[in-house]
Amino acid sequence: NAGVTQTPKFQVLKTGQSMTLQCAQDMNHNSMYWYRQDPGMGLRLIYYSASEGTTDKGEVPNGYNVSRLNKREFSLRLESAAPSQTSVYFCASSRGTTDNSPLHFGNGTRLTVT
Amino acid sequence: DAKTTQPTSMDCAEGRAANLPCNHSTISGNEYVYWYRQIHSQGPQYIIHGLKNNETNEMASLIITEDRKSSTLILPHATLRDTAVYYCIVRTAGTYKYIFGTGTRLKVLA
Repeated sequence: NAGVTQTPKFQVLKTGQSMTLQCAQDMNHNSMYWYRQDPGMGLRLIYYSASEGTTDKGEVPNGYNVSRLNKREFSLRLESAAPSQTSVYFCASSRGTTDNSPLHFGNGTRLTVT
Repeated sequence: DAKTTQPTSMDCAEGRAANLPCNHSTISGNEYVYWYRQIHSQGPQYIIHGLKNNETNEMASLIITEDRKSSTLILPHATLRDTAVYYCIVRTAGTYKYIFGTGTRLKVLA
């Protein structure tokens, strides 16, 4: 039981390049989330998916797109990376968004955009 | 959503109880208090949550004051591996919104 798995762990991009961050969970959770964490700051929600087939914007969605591929997988895409997107990206899942079940996080993808 | 206030940092001697306070004076009746911690640069780890009653699990205890305006996370016998940033979060029931602040940096000293 791996929990939430994120790939890759590290990535360096040049400005304007694109990439997709992958996330998969094996806990049969309905809801999945993408957060970013900048140095010395708390986590900020980029997008979330309350259930398979739905996605919604969080606090800081600009510059990102997401796909809920199936119940297990939720990917985050940067179409044209910018230095301001240098951050650590965390994927999380929970049983649902409307119950009080806690979030379970992956160990992050560390992205540097030069 | 209620905001939380936590001390920036705290130290605790190994083997002693670590008591981490959190102020959430604007909390409303349907908002839960959650605690997470982040060790080094790993993903945040869920510790415990509660609405109004005190809660205990294998990791910690959560004490919520009767007026619900503050809470304390207690790690009963802190170890060096408990050194981390601890986040107190208030979440409205029925929503996806977790508002992460900057947390308390707990250092457990040998």
